[in-house]
Order: sequence, then C-alpha cells, then structure tokens
Amino acid sequence: AQSVTQPDIHITVSEGASLELRCNYSYGATPYLFWYVQSPGQGLQLLLKYFSGDTLVQGIKGFEAEFKRSQSSFNLRKPSVHWSDAAEYFCAVGPPGDDKIIFGKGTRLHILP
Amino acid sequence: NAGVTQTPKFRILKIGQSMTLQCTQDMNHNYMYWYRQDPGMGLKLIYYSVGAGITDKGEVPNGYNVSRSTTEDFPLRLELAAPSQTSVYFCASNDRANYGYTFGSGTRLTVV
Repeated sequence: AQSVTQPDIHITVSEGASLELRCNYSYGATPYLFWYVQSPGQGLQLLLKYFSGDTLVQGIKGFEAEFKRSQSSFNLRKPSVHWSDAAEYFCAVGPPGDDKIIFGKGTRLHILP
Repeated sequence: NAGVTQTPKFRILKIGQSMTLQCTQDMNHNYMYWYRQDPGMGLKLIYYSVGAGITDKGEVPNGYNVSRSTTEDFPLRLELAAPSQTSVYFCASNDRANYGYTFGSGTRLTVV
C-alpha cells in the first residue's frame, strides 16, 4: 500500500535562512505528488504539484520541490523564509488512476525572528 | 467565486446527539471528499464521492454517513456523536482525481 512519511514533526529556522522539508513516499511507480500548506485556523492550500516531466517544480510563495525517483523523495525548499511562512506543511501522494490522495502527518514550521 | 464553503465553523455536541456538516462547492467539481484532522495525525479520509449519486468509504468511515444528491453539495452526517469524533473536519473538491484539491476552511467539532 502507498504511504507518505514526513520525518520531521517540527522544524525551526531563522527568518532569512533556507528551508528544506523532507517527504518520502512508498509506491510501486511514480505517483502524483503534492505539497500543501495550512496556516493556523485555515484550510489547506496547494503549494505545488508534480505529475511528470521536469523533476524540479516551482510553486507559489517562492517554494520549489524536487522529485528524486531513486530516493522516493519529494522535498520542499525555499531559499529564504519569511515570518509569514510559519505554518504546517503536508506532503501528499496520489497514485495515478486512484480517486483520492494520501497525506503525510505534517511538519510544523517555526520561524525565529 | 466562493470555492468550497463549509458550515458551521464551530460546533459543540453532546454525546449521542446528531448533526450534519454542510459542504458546498461552486466550481462544478465532480470529486468531493471529507477528511478529519487530529493533532499530529495528518488528514484521514472519511468518505468521498466521484459524482452525484456515487459515494464510497475512505479510511475512517465508521460513525459517519454521506449523500451526494447534487454536484454542488456533499453533507456529512454524524448520527450518534461520540467523544472520539472530536476533530476538525475538512471538505475538499477536485475537478479530476489527483489533480490537487481545493479545501474548505474547516469545521471544528467538539463532542462532550
């Protein structure tokens, strides 16, 4: 069965520092991959998605993610974080042909001033 | 364009009471989903629908029911509320499976 692992429950970075959030998936083929962000008290917002093609995907708010087939990973990156990036981030996997996607347990990002 | 609208935003229920969480989308999406979110557990799929008149169970359907009589509406029914159903509930929709969801802002439910 497919699964998604986000190894880090909490991450703290200083404002202006770079960020990488990790995501690993388990699936027999290449799935559809997503990153969502959830600000406190809000619903989830799609940051970016990967279906096929170029393994480096650009998203909204200056985020990007890189698909690495050999590592079954889809890590999220941002070169310089802002205080407004403090939120919870969810990686998700959608097996092609399925009707639903599976979410990881999330990584909560804290920003130090 | 309102997207996905959920009502109510907050609700406190007593054990054994029933209620319906409303979800409406105005994007003409065929696919709709109900998730619950518990701290540290991510999102768990309760029920989903691929079109009007078609529903299917997700990972955690026990204690819930759904219906899909129109494309726009996908209500979630709790018949006998239990403390284990205390959670935040999110509705989402999609115009094609696995192409990224649009989420509502959630309903925070407490069962006491």
